[in-house]
Amino acid sequence: KAGVTQTPRYLIKTRGQQVTLSCSPISGHRSVSWYQQTPGQGLQFLFEYFSETQRNKGNFPGRFSGRQFSNSRSEMNVSTLELGDSALYLCASSLDRSPGTGTTEAFFGQGTRLTVV
Amino acid sequence: QKEVEQNSGPLSVPEGAIASLNCTYSDRGSQSFFWYRQYSGKSPELIMFIYSNGDKEDGRFTAQLNKASQYVSLLIRDSQPSDSATYLCAVRYPGGYNKLIFGAGTRLAVHP
Repeated sequence: KAGVTQTPRYLIKTRGQQVTLSCSPISGHRSVSWYQQTPGQGLQFLFEYFSETQRNKGNFPGRFSGRQFSNSRSEMNVSTLELGDSALYLCASSLDRSPGTGTTEAFFGQGTRLTVV
Repeated sequence: QKEVEQNSGPLSVPEGAIASLNCTYSDRGSQSFFWYRQYSGKSPELIMFIYSNGDKEDGRFTAQLNKASQYVSLLIRDSQPSDSATYLCAVRYPGGYNKLIFGAGTRLAVHP
């Protein structure tokens, strides 16, 4: 069974540009969450999508956005990139057998390492 | 502010010893607890999860949960150098759907 697939693995962008990252969850998983990991702040939750709807959002500026498609694949977009956006962006996939109960496990993809110069 | 606290380490143990990793959380209503292992430059890998008070064993790993003390721990028996990694504790709060709050992680070093 294929795991969570994130593309691209590495990106270098210039300040002010925008970037789109992609995540394909484990087959059958309908919940996709995004996290940012930096040495200073650790792993921080960005947002979660379930059945094409954002149902939870972390404390990030509006420059960070996402969406989910009908096949559960998800994308996140960061506009007007800043140096501080350099991080490892991780996508997590969950089965969510009983939506809302939070009793399912999350599996991470390999991540996209974004460097803003 | 929901928080998850871990000692950043490094926790250094000799090969073959028991490594004990600890985590405390602030929200008494928390229901689901997870341990992830992250090797340098890699993504987190789920190794254990626990929902009920008590112990849960899986091979060399044992997760322990004490909701009254708001404390969750991970024991690694017969530690191996390949266990050297950062161990992340994560908590899911009620109403948060699949949002996980992570601790900063404990770096474990197992020396031969």
